[in-house]
Amino acid sequence: SQQGEEDPQALSIQEGENATMNCSYKTSINNLQWYRQNSGRGLVHLILIRSNEREKHSGRLRVTLDTSKKSSSLLITASRAADTASYFCATDGYSGAGSYQLTFGKGTKLSVIP
Amino acid sequence: SAVISQKPSRDICQRGTSLTIQCQVDSQVTMMFWYRQQPGQSLTLIATANQGSEATYESGFVIDKFPISRPNLTFSTLTVSNMSPEDSSIYLCSVSTGMTSPANTGELFFGEGSRLTVL
Repeated sequence: SQQGEEDPQALSIQEGENATMNCSYKTSINNLQWYRQNSGRGLVHLILIRSNEREKHSGRLRVTLDTSKKSSSLLITASRAADTASYFCATDGYSGAGSYQLTFGKGTKLSVIP
Repeated sequence: SAVISQKPSRDICQRGTSLTIQCQVDSQVTMMFWYRQQPGQSLTLIATANQGSEATYESGFVIDKFPISRPNLTFSTLTVSNMSPEDSSIYLCSVSTGMTSPANTGELFFGEGSRLTVL
């Protein structure tokens, strides 16, 4: 079953503003990852946060993880038009077939208006 | 890291035909995954393809419909058989360079995807 659920589904902001996307999941995890997908392209890994971490930074990205609430947030500061993309959270676990895998949420579509 | 090349990048196919998608990685990797992404949707895992063993398919996906080959550590193919319009999707190949255990999950590297349209 789908693990991560992002909200909002779509977000439109002005260039320079901050963008916050949230992800909720259902079962315990070892880590949570965020990916970006530009239109018509493959996914690009952004950041991984482990279950024993609460916050992680990478450039203009800040990720938080609250395992008690089973939720994570991705903050993009000082957004740029080039940040326009879909953002997915992914949680690790075992599939129904017994394979270790990442399960992706439905994604947040971010539009940054110049 | 890993660089993945997928071919074809897009194709338009007729109902009832089959298409094979190729995935070439620039380094040897153990674990390779095939995902499907229907328009505007998230990614759904089709199967995990490890070299030297049969692919493991997820619920709703069967080998007769999506046969997979994994002849070596740098290459895999996914065939979409007897296509129907419902198979119109983006098919994505991905690999992990570090996913050996739950305590050592690595990031996934993705190809650019193969966009299939079935008429």
